Amino acid sequence: KAGVTQTPRYLIKTRGQQVTLSCSPISGHRSVSWYQQTPGQGLQFLFEYFSETQRNKGNFPGRFSGRQFSNSRSEMNVSTLELGDSALYLCASSLVRGSSYEQYFGPGTRLTVT
Amino acid sequence: AQKITQTQPGMFVQEKEAVTLDCTYDTSDQSYGLFWYKQPSSGEMIFLIYQGSYDEQNATEGRYSLNFQKARKSANLVISASQLGDSAMYFCAMRGRVGSGGSNYKLTFGKGTLLTVNP
Repeated sequence: KAGVTQTPRYLIKTRGQQVTLSCSPISGHRSVSWYQQTPGQGLQFLFEYFSETQRNKGNFPGRFSGRQFSNSRSEMNVSTLELGDSALYLCASSLVRGSSYEQYFGPGTRLTVT
Repeated sequence: AQKITQTQPGMFVQEKEAVTLDCTYDTSDQSYGLFWYKQPSSGEMIFLIYQGSYDEQNATEGRYSLNFQKARKSANLVISASQLGDSAMYFCAMRGRVGSGGSNYKLTFGKGTLLTVNP
């Protein structure tokens, strides 16, 4: 079956602009999480959505927001972009399977803010 | 608070040899999950192996095995018969509860270990 897809793969924006990233999870996975990866801070949790509801949010400013649609696809929005928002944004879809847990990542969107 | 520690910023191994990547974790929860991911230079995070905190057997997936020592809170990854394609960054992560008594979970990552396999 198809893996997690993210669009776009690369993006260049200027300070002050806003950006929307998209993530389509693996079929059957209802949970989608977003992560930011930078060389300085490593991988940091942004938020998690399950059945169109935000279940968790990491320590990021309100400029970072997201949503999930009824087909489990998720979008992440960053408003008023800052240079420090340049990062690899990873989306993961997950499924609880009995006592186990599956979480698979997409290829990421590399955002550059100039 | 949850914390993952990977003490080896970089590791070198000869092709066909085994290598162990260290990971220790800190949590007060009894229920949690431990993951290892591989991230090649392309950036994609590739799932390798999962161990639940209640699993008594060490998880294995092909050449990957997880040496789970619960009392010591360690979850080391063992890669047997290393291949050149194993050269990548490796991340240990823990899925644990957000807040005490909550029902929501999040994934916390370590800083990673850069593995280089030499021919």
